[in-house]
Amino acid sequence: NAGVTQTPKFQVLKTGQSMTLQCAQDMNHEYMSWYRQDPGMGLRLIHYSVGAGITDQGEVPNGYNVSRSTTEDFPLRLLSAAPSQTSVYFCASRPAGTGLTGELFFGEGSRLTVL
Amino acid sequence: GNSVTQMEGPVTLSEEAFLTINCTYTATGYPSLFWYVQYPGEGLQLLLKATKADDKGSNKGFEATYRKETTSFHLEKGSVQVSDSAVYFCALRLGNEKLTFGTGTRLTIIP
Repeated sequence: NAGVTQTPKFQVLKTGQSMTLQCAQDMNHEYMSWYRQDPGMGLRLIHYSVGAGITDQGEVPNGYNVSRSTTEDFPLRLLSAAPSQTSVYFCASRPAGTGLTGELFFGEGSRLTVL
Repeated sequence: GNSVTQMEGPVTLSEEAFLTINCTYTATGYPSLFWYVQYPGEGLQLLLKATKADDKGSNKGFEATYRKETTSFHLEKGSVQVSDSAVYFCALRLGNEKLTFGTGTRLTIIP
C-alpha cells in the first residue's frame, strides 16, 4: 500500500536555487497539505488544497508555491531557497468531508538543507 | 487564536513505567483533539482522537480523555515498552481545514 509518497527524501540546496518537492497519494483523497517541522515549533501548515484546481495558504506560505492539477499530486515549489527553509517537510492527505474528525495520512518526510 | 501546549521533552523512562504526557489547549469553540506519533525516520500517524467532551480515545494501550473543564487531553499509558520510543504530538482541529499541532514530546524508553 503506497499511501502518501514524497520525493526526494533528502536534498541539499544552495541559497537561491529552486526545487520542487513531490507528493503523490493513491487514496483518492480530496484534501492535501504541506507542513514543515522545525525543532521546538512542531508542525506548521504551509499550503493546502481541498481539491484539484483549488489551493490556499496556511500559516507560513512565504517562499513556497503550490499547484493542484490532479487529485493525486500536490507539488511544493521553492523558487529561491533560503537557509530559513532548512527543515523537514511533510505532505499529508485525507478524504473530503472529514474535516472535523478525520485522520490525516502523512508521507515519510523530505529533509531539506539550504546552505 | 487556537493553540496547543505540550509537556516539554525529552522524556526518558524505564520499560514498564507509567507514562503521562501533558497537553492543554486554547480554542474559540469545541475542537476535536488528536494525538499523533512519529516513530524514528517515519511520518506522523494518528494514535488516538476524541471529538467531544468526556470522550476517551484509546489505542495500543494509550489513552487520553477530552476534559473541557481543564481544556486538557493528557496522554497516558500504564506500562511503556521500548517500542513506544517516538515523538508524540498533541493537536486540535476546530471547524476549518487546519490541524494545529503542539511542539512535540520526544519519549525514550530504556530497557
